[in-house]
Amino acid sequence: GAGVSQSPSNKVTEKGKDVELRCDPISGHTALYWYRQRLGQGLEFLIYFQGNSAPDKSGLPSDRFSAERTGESVSTLTIQRTQQEDSAVYLCASSLARVPYNEQFFGPGTRLTVL
Amino acid sequence: AQSVAQPEDQVNVAEGNPLTVKCTYSVSGNPYLFWYVQYPNRGLQFLLKYITGDNLVKGSYGFEAEFNKSQTSFHLKKPSALVSDSALYFCAVKRDDKIIFGKGTRLHILP
Repeated sequence: GAGVSQSPSNKVTEKGKDVELRCDPISGHTALYWYRQRLGQGLEFLIYFQGNSAPDKSGLPSDRFSAERTGESVSTLTIQRTQQEDSAVYLCASSLARVPYNEQFFGPGTRLTVL
Repeated sequence: AQSVAQPEDQVNVAEGNPLTVKCTYSVSGNPYLFWYVQYPNRGLQFLLKYITGDNLVKGSYGFEAEFNKSQTSFHLKKPSALVSDSALYFCAVKRDDKIIFGKGTRLHILP
């Protein structure tokens, strides 16, 4: 079946603009995660959703970042008033249930460049 | 607090030689550990995980990892490296209800 998809694959924006990144998880996966990968850095946890539970937002770096998920389907990550330090690859992952027992399946990422 | 450390930014290995990519962890209780690989221009892929049981875990593409509780390590290994193994490798550990990733180790297999 189809894997995790993300759109757009690349996004170039101007400083101060808002951007919206989309993630379509694998059908049936109840858990969904967002990570940020800066150039030459590891993966930085941002947020995760598990079913109908309240999301864990503990990794969001500032109040300019927010995310939503409709049921157990698509999720959008919104960055308001983008800054140059927001430039990174944003990765989405989904899994059958909350880890640790099930591995995460990652999307190809959205490369965000803030000019 | 750092939960997982990958002490090497880059590892170079000749094709056909054994390879090791190092990872150490620092979480309380029994750790849940993972290895992921990121090939060029492709998404991260799961390689293997340690939850409980045998200390030697076998995964995809001929990789294995050895859990060592006394050394708090979970090194990734392969007996004979292939050029196609060249990629970025991430160690990860469960902390609270989240998966925390290391900064990654770039593996270069030299033909």
